[in-house]
Amino acid sequence: AQSVTQLDSQVPVFEEAPVELRCNYSSSVSVYLFWYVQYPNQGLQLLLKYLSGSTLVKGINGFEAEFNKSQTSFHLRKPSVHISDTAEYFCAVSGSAGGTSYGKLTFGQGTILTVHP
Amino acid sequence: DAGVTQSPTHLIKTRGQQVTLRCSPKSGHDTVSWYQQALGQGPQFIFQYYEEEERQRGNFPDRFSGHQFPNYSSELNVNALLLGDSALYLCASSPGQGKTLQETQYFGPGTRLLVL
Repeated sequence: AQSVTQLDSQVPVFEEAPVELRCNYSSSVSVYLFWYVQYPNQGLQLLLKYLSGSTLVKGINGFEAEFNKSQTSFHLRKPSVHISDTAEYFCAVSGSAGGTSYGKLTFGQGTILTVHP
Repeated sequence: DAGVTQSPTHLIKTRGQQVTLRCSPKSGHDTVSWYQQALGQGPQFIFQYYEEEERQRGNFPDRFSGHQFPNYSSELNVNALLLGDSALYLCASSPGQGKTLQETQYFGPGTRLLVL
């Protein structure tokens, strides 16, 4: 079984400040990791994903995340946020090869990022 | 390219009724997954269809069933609706079941179901 814990349910931040959204996961198999963003009344949009290779992953809209296998973490960062980054962010995990956990995403509870002017 | 489309956008039903939600995948995609997102929660995997068969299933009761058509579109059916079935139902498509997660899953806008 897999699980994802997003450590902060809400993160308020001022415009142009840096932000980190924290994600820890639990899995008995090797994993793929993802961050999605959900704007109000919309579906999910992929920000970035880690499949293999470099542990620092860059995504869209200036976001990046670092995979830390020893700490089972995949924290999302942005050096300078904009008002338009206000949204809910979801961390997700999947098994990386075969097994019952492959092919389906297990999501965290979400973190609401609010960027204030 | 229209992306993933879902219908209807909103739906109100009463307990005990049955509902059918529809999803058209992004052009070129043949794999469809369904997720349930309750208010204030992350999405939960319901099941995945590929080649018109259910390939993976999450922890949902048999009241939840689905279908995939030859054109890759999909339906989610929920029987004997409960108040707890009220949620946003999301459909995601991707190009190829064997490569589902190497390839990006594209999500539709969802169908918001309210059970009274």
